[in-house]
Amino acid sequence: EAEVAQSPRYKITEKSQAVAFWCDPISGHATLYWYRQILGQGPELLVQFQDESVVDDSQLPKDRFSAERLKGVDSTLKIQPAELGDSAMYLCASSLLPPPTEAFFGQGTRLTVV
Amino acid sequence: GENVEQHPSTLSVQEGDSAVIKCTYSDSASNYFPWYKQELGKGPQLIIDIRSNVGEKKDQRIAVTLNKTAKHFSLHITETQPEDSAVYFCAASIDNDMRFGAGTRLTVKP
Repeated sequence: EAEVAQSPRYKITEKSQAVAFWCDPISGHATLYWYRQILGQGPELLVQFQDESVVDDSQLPKDRFSAERLKGVDSTLKIQPAELGDSAMYLCASSLLPPPTEAFFGQGTRLTVV
Repeated sequence: GENVEQHPSTLSVQEGDSAVIKCTYSDSASNYFPWYKQELGKGPQLIIDIRSNVGEKKDQRIAVTLNKTAKHFSLHITETQPEDSAVYFCAASIDNDMRFGAGTRLTVKP
């Protein structure tokens, strides 16, 4: 069964350091999403790509966060510098069609900033 | 923007009983309402969804109802089993904008 792959599963970093997360969506899925999920809350959209183009990054803290999907396939989310408040689960999802439609989530990257 | 509220935050039921989780949304333009199940250490997985032109949808033990006038929708799980224990999230979507509820932790006691 096709899955959204994310790495690493867990990351511990010191504040002010840079950190990056990688996502490989299900093959053929043109839409890719990055979500942040704080413990005890629902996921919040950070950025949405349609192929290699950003469709929505209105909730992305652009002073420290960046995201790219250069070839319209896999994607990288970067935080520089990391802050204590960035500790959360970072989820990648993909969908075959543009929203509103079913999104398939990866297992996420659990980030802890110390 | 859209605001989704979900109740209850925790729910404990006996195996075999039914469980109901309710969500309300604020924007009447919302047109897609998925429900996700998230098990410990995993990403959310879609279990059922409904669009605004449908009032009810059922898939085996799971059903979702939508009341557009009242702007609320509910998840119903019948004959609950221990493996139904997880966190459940509702969401409401307007085109590109999907907002999630805060989640309900369901515990099914054997």
